[in-house]
Amino acid sequence: AQSVTQLGSHVSVSEGALVLLRCNYSSSVPPYLFWYVQYPNQGLQLLLKYTSAATLVKGINGFEAEFKKSETSFHLTKPSAHMSDAAEYFCAVSPYNQGGKLIFGQGTELSVKP
Amino acid sequence: NAGVTQTPKFRILKIGQSMTLQCTQDMNHNYMYWYRQDPGMGLKLIYYSVGAGITDKGEVPNGYNVSRSTTEDFPLRLELAAPSQTSVYFCASHPGGTGDTQYFGPGTRLTVL
Repeated sequence: AQSVTQLGSHVSVSEGALVLLRCNYSSSVPPYLFWYVQYPNQGLQLLLKYTSAATLVKGINGFEAEFKKSETSFHLTKPSAHMSDAAEYFCAVSPYNQGGKLIFGQGTELSVKP
Repeated sequence: NAGVTQTPKFRILKIGQSMTLQCTQDMNHNYMYWYRQDPGMGLKLIYYSVGAGITDKGEVPNGYNVSRSTTEDFPLRLELAAPSQTSVYFCASHPGGTGDTQYFGPGTRLTVL
């Protein structure tokens, strides 16, 4: 069965610092990959997705992620953190031919210090 | 478009009670999903549907039931609520195309005491 691992359940950065949230997936065939963000007491909102086009994917709010097949990784980055980036971030994989189902990682809570 | 809407936003149930969580989408999506979110566990798929009249179990279906009589609605039924069903429940919809995005509702926070 496919799985998604997010390293670090909690990441804290200073405002203006680099944000790096790690995601690794297990799959013999590169799946579709997603990053979602969840602000407090809200639903999930799509940040970006990889669907086998460009390996560097740009998303909303200045985030981007790079698909690395050799490392089975899809890490999320942002050059300069803003206070408004504080939220929980979920990496998810959508295996081929499984009805669009998503398999989620455990989530990483990002804190941004002033 | 309202997108995906869920009611109620919050609910407290007593052990053994039943309730239905409502989910409606106005995007004409064929695929719909129910997830539960527990702290540190990510989201787990409870049930999903690929169209009206078609439903299937996800990873954690025990204690739940669903129906899909229309494209728009996908209610989740809890029978005989248990404390283990205390969670935040999210409904999502998906157009059905390969690599398409799932769109999530705002969630229902359920507590079973």
